[in-house]
This record gives sequence, C-alpha cells and structure tokens, in this order.
Amino acid sequence: GNSVTQMEGPVTLSEEAFLTINCTYTATGYPSLFWYVQYPGEGLQLLLKATKADDKGSNKGFEATYRKETTSFHLEKGSVQVSDSAVYFCALMNTGTASKLTFGTGTRLQVTL
Amino acid sequence: DSGVTQTPKHLITATGQRVTLRCSPRSGDLSVYWYQQSLDQGLQFLIQYYNGEERAKGNILERFSAQQFPDLHSELNLSSLELGDSALYFCASSDSRGSGTYEQFFGPGTRLTVL
Repeated sequence: GNSVTQMEGPVTLSEEAFLTINCTYTATGYPSLFWYVQYPGEGLQLLLKATKADDKGSNKGFEATYRKETTSFHLEKGSVQVSDSAVYFCALMNTGTASKLTFGTGTRLQVTL
Repeated sequence: DSGVTQTPKHLITATGQRVTLRCSPRSGDLSVYWYQQSLDQGLQFLIQYYNGEERAKGNILERFSAQQFPDLHSELNLSSLELGDSALYFCASSDSRGSGTYEQFFGPGTRLTVL
C-alpha cells in the first residue's frame, strides 16, 4: 500500500536559517506528491506539489523536487521566517478513480528570532 | 479562506452519543473527502463522495457513515461515540471529474471532544 514517512519534529530554527524537512514515500505506480501546511488553529493549505519525476514544486520560497530514484520529496527553504512556524505534512496521491491523499505524520517547525 | 465550510467548529459530547458533522464544498466542486486527524493515528482518509455517490472508503469505522446530498453538501455521522473518536475532522473538496490530480481544498475542521 501507499505510505509516507517524514522526519520527526519538532524542528526548531532561528530566523533566516536553512530548512530541510525530509519526506520519503512508498507507492505503486506514479503518484503525485504534495506538501501541505497547517498553521495553528487552521485547516490544511496546499503549499506545493509535483506530479511527475524531476518536477520541482515551489511556493513562498519553499521548494521540493520529486525524486523517483530515491522516492523522496524533501521540503527546503533557504531562509525561514517566524511566520513559517507551522506543521508541515508530506502527502501522496495515486490518481485513479479515488484521488485520496495519504499523509505523513507531520513535522512541527518552530522558528525563533 | 479555502471556500470549504464546516460546522460546527467545536463539538463536545458524551460516550455513546451520535453527532453529525456538516461540510459545504467550494462552489462547483463535485468531490468531497473526509479526513480524521488524531494524535495517535495522524491524518487519515475516511471516505470520498463524488456527485452524490460513494467513490472510495478508507479507514472508516462501521459506526461512522457519510452521505452527499443533491446540493453537494456532505454530512459525516458518528454514532456510539467512544473516547478514542475525539479528533479533528476535516472535509476537503476538489473539482475532480474522475481520475487525475486535482488539488484538494480543506475546510477549517470540526474538533470533536468525547467525554
């Protein structure tokens, strides 16, 4: 079956530090990959996505590249801000008749001044 | 604002009771998905409806059921509630007309507390 593994949190960084959150997946076929972000007290928002191998998704300074050879989709940002503090979820979707998302456990990011 | 609304925002009830969670998808979206977010299980897919018909089932308990109405809003019914059902329940919608990768837009969630 499908599964997503992401690094344990919490991750605590100082403002302007470099961020990497690791995500690897197991899936049949060619899934699409996503990063969602959940700010405190809110629902999930799509941060970025990639639908095929070697695609790079990017948004708000965050990037992730779909690496089929390593089954990975690591999230990176060159310089984090306090406002980036949130929980980040890696997810995959195997397209077909049911486009459900399979999520990782989430990684909490805390950015301090 | 994703355009997906969920009511109520919070729900506190007792074990053994039954509750109904409501979701209105974004205008025009035919697919509705329900997810459960709990501390021990993480975010799990429960069920999907497409234009009124059940499309896929995930880890949904037999005590739980859902439906999607002709106006496309959906309800998730949870019965014989147990302490372990306490969780955040999210609804998402997408403009999926079948297979393909369509972004899912999430509502703010309903926090259920079972005492």
